[in-house]
Order: sequence, then structure tokens, then C-alpha cells
Amino acid sequence: AQRVTQPEKLLSVFKGAPVELKCNYSYSGSPELFWYVQYSRQRLQLLLRHISRESIKGFTADLNKGETSFHLKKPFAQEEDSAMYYCACGTNNLFFGTGTRLTVIP
Amino acid sequence: DTGVSQNPRHKITKRGQNVTFRCDPISEHNRLYWYRQTLGQGPEFLTYFQNEAQLEKSRLLSDRFSAERPKGSFSTLEIQRTEQGDSAMYLCASSRTSGSHEQFFGPGTRLTVL
Repeated sequence: AQRVTQPEKLLSVFKGAPVELKCNYSYSGSPELFWYVQYSRQRLQLLLRHISRESIKGFTADLNKGETSFHLKKPFAQEEDSAMYYCACGTNNLFFGTGTRLTVIP
Repeated sequence: DTGVSQNPRHKITKRGQNVTFRCDPISEHNRLYWYRQTLGQGPEFLTYFQNEAQLEKSRLLSDRFSAERPKGSFSTLEIQRTEQGDSAMYLCASSRTSGSHEQFFGPGTRLTVL
């Protein structure tokens, strides 16, 4: 069964500290992996996808097929990173995790 | 704003009534998706279209749910005989079929069933 697990519902870090949001997935086949972000009062938007191998707003995510993980990392958290983060996988339709609310404390 | 738009943004209805939501995708996007999001959960896929063809509908929650995209542009999602459990945010997204398959989301329609 297709499933995305984000074990942390809430995560708080201090400004300037490293942050890692965990994501594990279960999927038959070869899905694409994504991180979506939702800032306060804004719509869901793509942060990054594994095939592009980009760093967006200082965030990176490495796909580990052996561990079926796609953790999101940033070395120095900023206050503007406070948001809801969703990991998703799929080919056409996407399966989303339950999300992690990140709070960066000034 | 040339992004995905959804109307209405909020809908309050009584149990047993029918409701219809509209989604206008980004104009050059062939694919259109519907998701439902309940409190504390991530978006849950319901159905999607490529142009006017509905390619996946097995995840529609029940036969009370139906979606159309008659001309391959805007889409409607209808819920018949609403139940309190249908209260949720209904999200629409669109994407291209070639190149980047990034899904662009609309602001959602929040449904409250009393």
C-alpha cells in the first residue's frame, strides 16, 4: 500500500539551528518524491522534488531508496521557515504525509 | 492572478443537501486533480483528469462524489446528500503532462456540513 509517514507533527528549533524533517514512504514502483510547504494563510506550494536535486531556500532533500526516506534538511533555520511541511510521493496522483509544523524560535 | 482558482472559498450547507465546487486550472495545464484535506491530515487524492478524460476515480470516497471536466478546462466536484463527515477542505491542483509535472494548488474550498 502506498503510504507516506512523517513521524513528527510538531517541530521547534531555534533560529540558526539545523533542522531535519523526516519522511519515509512505501510505494510500489518508482515514484517521484516531493516536499510541499504551506505558509500561514497561503496555498500549498512545491518546495522541492527529488529529481531536480536543487536547493530551494537553503533546503535540500536526498532520496534514500534503501531506507525509503526523503528527509528535508536545512543547516541554519530562519524565522520565515516557520510553516507546515508535507512530504508527498507518487506518479500522477500524489500521496501526502500528515505534515510537520515547523516553528523557528527567534 | 493566473494561478489555480476555486469557487466558492467557503460553503456551509445542511446535511442532505447537494453541493458543487468549481476549479479553474492554470490555462496551459492539461491535468487537473482533486484532493480532500481533513483537520490534521495531509491532502488525500480523490480523482484526476487529463484534458476531459477522467483517468482515475477509484479513490472517490463514495458514489455520492462525482467530478466532471466537460471541455477540458474548468472542473466541478459534486457531493450529493452531504453528510457531516464530508466537512473538509477540498483542494484542486493542475499540472502539465510534459516537462515538469509539478502540481500547482488552488486555495481550496472549505465545506462545512451542519
